[in-house]
Amino acid sequence: DAGVIQSPRHEVTEMGQEVTLRCKPISGHNSLFWYRQTMMRGLELLIYFNNNVPIDDSGMPEDRFSAKMPNASFSTLKIQPSEPRDSAVYFCASSPGDFGEQFFGPGTRLTVL
Amino acid sequence: AQSVTQLDSHVSVSEGTPVLLRCNYSSSYSPSLFWYVQHPNKGLQLLLKYTSAATLVKGINGFEAEFKKSETSFHLTKPSAHMSDAAEYFCVVRGGGADGLTFGKGTHLIIQP
Repeated sequence: DAGVIQSPRHEVTEMGQEVTLRCKPISGHNSLFWYRQTMMRGLELLIYFNNNVPIDDSGMPEDRFSAKMPNASFSTLKIQPSEPRDSAVYFCASSPGDFGEQFFGPGTRLTVL
Repeated sequence: AQSVTQLDSHVSVSEGTPVLLRCNYSSSYSPSLFWYVQHPNKGLQLLLKYTSAATLVKGINGFEAEFKKSETSFHLTKPSAHMSDAAEYFCVVRGGGADGLTFGKGTHLIIQP
């Protein structure tokens, strides 16, 4: 198995632009998680899906952030408009169960200028 | 409710000496506990997990952790540090019910030659 796949690995954009991060979970996993990691705040859970349905989005910082999971093999995290304070590494993880072991992707390093 | 505290933000040891990374947790339920490792510019990788079986858990790369309910601790140890162990280590707790995973702030392990 290829593991969790994220794209792009690096993204540099200007303030105000729309950013879309993509994730392909491990086949057969029914839970998917989006995290953000910064030096200041550590690792934060943004949102998680179970069977493609968003279960808890309380970690999404504000309305500029949105996430979708149109099918079991694909999810997106969108930021519109982006701001410099959104600069972080964004991780996607998947799990075969609701809250068991999670398998992390390599992350997307986002820089908003 | 649940929480996890990693008692040291940085730990420095010499190569070949023992490693101890400390973690305390709180949980309203019988918890599942995990240790993840993150190497620079990489995603998180599961080292080991405790899910109410044996209290001494062995993981990858020679690491192990002992679940001590009376002390609410789940410290990570390794008998002999290797240079490749230099990384960030996260202690993670999962309670029960609707609780998801809660990550500690991380401990940065430095290996001195």
